[in-house]
Amino acid sequence: DVKVTQSSRYLVKRTGEKVFLECVQDMDHENMFWYRQDPGLGLRLIYFSYDVKMKEKGDIPEGYSVSREKKERFSLILESASTNQTSMYLCASRGNIETQYFGPGTRLLVL
Amino acid sequence: QKEVEQNSGPLSVPEGAIASLNCTYSDRVSQSFFWYRQYSGKSPELIMSIYSNGDKEDGRFTAQLNKASQYVSLLIRDSQPSDSATYLCAVNIPAEGNNRLAFGKGNQVVVIP
Repeated sequence: DVKVTQSSRYLVKRTGEKVFLECVQDMDHENMFWYRQDPGLGLRLIYFSYDVKMKEKGDIPEGYSVSREKKERFSLILESASTNQTSMYLCASRGNIETQYFGPGTRLLVL
Repeated sequence: QKEVEQNSGPLSVPEGAIASLNCTYSDRVSQSFFWYRQYSGKSPELIMSIYSNGDKEDGRFTAQLNKASQYVSLLIRDSQPSDSATYLCAVNIPAEGNNRLAFGKGNQVVVIP
């Protein structure tokens, strides 16, 4: 079974703090994704990566950056957290067969 | 035009009835289609994938694909209270060198005992 894990289930941060969200998958998948999900807006793609050290902007990259130094790990960074970044953050990974699996999600609250 | 649209509002069905969900997509070259189920506060879970025109059945779930009309549907037979969730339609969007999934906003299903 594919396993995608995220470093935290719940996180509370203050405005202006630097926030790191980490995602690890154990299936040697090439592709990894970061989404945020907000009521009424659905899933929105922030960044994705199709190889180590490669990254592509998604639909809403502003205010975020990512890092993929190892194949199994994909990190999302909020350089200076703001209240409008309060959301559910979902990591996903996908191999060549296109089936995409999600991690459990991190619910981030920025005060 | 949105890449993936799920236009129906919340769907309430009595226990034991059939729940029917529809999804349309805009990119004619898409070849892979998925349905995810998401319980409140949880992450999406893949329940069905379909790649060819026609029907695909898995237990109480049936996915239907019509590429000519660019729609995908999901039927849930003998609906159970445990089927109460939001169902997300996802379509693969091919792009040079990589591809990604485009998601609809989801349809909430409430099964009434």
